[in-house]
Amino acid sequence: AQSVTQLGSHVSVSEGALVLLRCNYSSSVPPYLFWYVQYPNQGLQLLLKYTTGATLVKGINGFEAEFKKSETSFHLTKPSAHMSDAAEYFCAVILSYAGGTSYGKLTFGQGTILTVHP
Amino acid sequence: KAGVTQTPRYLIKTRGQQVTLSCSPISGHRSVSWYQQTPGQGLQFLFEYFSETQRNKGNFPGRFSGRQFSNSRSEMNVSTLELGDSALYLCASSLYGRAAEEQYFGPGTRLTVT
Repeated sequence: AQSVTQLGSHVSVSEGALVLLRCNYSSSVPPYLFWYVQYPNQGLQLLLKYTTGATLVKGINGFEAEFKKSETSFHLTKPSAHMSDAAEYFCAVILSYAGGTSYGKLTFGQGTILTVHP
Repeated sequence: KAGVTQTPRYLIKTRGQQVTLSCSPISGHRSVSWYQQTPGQGLQFLFEYFSETQRNKGNFPGRFSGRQFSNSRSEMNVSTLELGDSALYLCASSLYGRAAEEQYFGPGTRLTVT
């Protein structure tokens, strides 16, 4: 089984400030981890993913995340926020191997709404 | 390459009716997954189809069903609609539905049940 907890349903930052969105997971087998972004009235867009290899992964729009197994975390960061980053962000997990129960089944956190102030 | 398309984008139905939503995956993608998004429950997995076969299913009642056609297009059906079925329904496609693959999401169908 797997679950995702996103700490903070709302995060507010000033333009140019550091963005930090927190994600912790639990998983019965090694997980694959994803961050998605959702703009109003749109679907989800992948920012980045961790499957294997380097634990620091870089994504689109200047975002990056670090997989920390010991802390069961996959926090999303961006050094300098832009107004265009305002959106809802979702952390998601999928089991890396669990037979048929992995097919297509992303488990999402509750989401974090990021507000960026001028 | 065209993205995932979903039709219709908006739908209003009455309790007790049934509804069918359509999803066309990215060309070449053979796996289609469906998700329900509500303010209270968040994003929840409904089911996944590959080569016209349902391979995985979430914890939803039997009123929720789906199918996939030979061209990988997929439909989901909800029968005997309840107020709680009001949600944004998202479909996502990937090449083979493997765990490490990115799922590409459509814009969703907003279903309102009155």
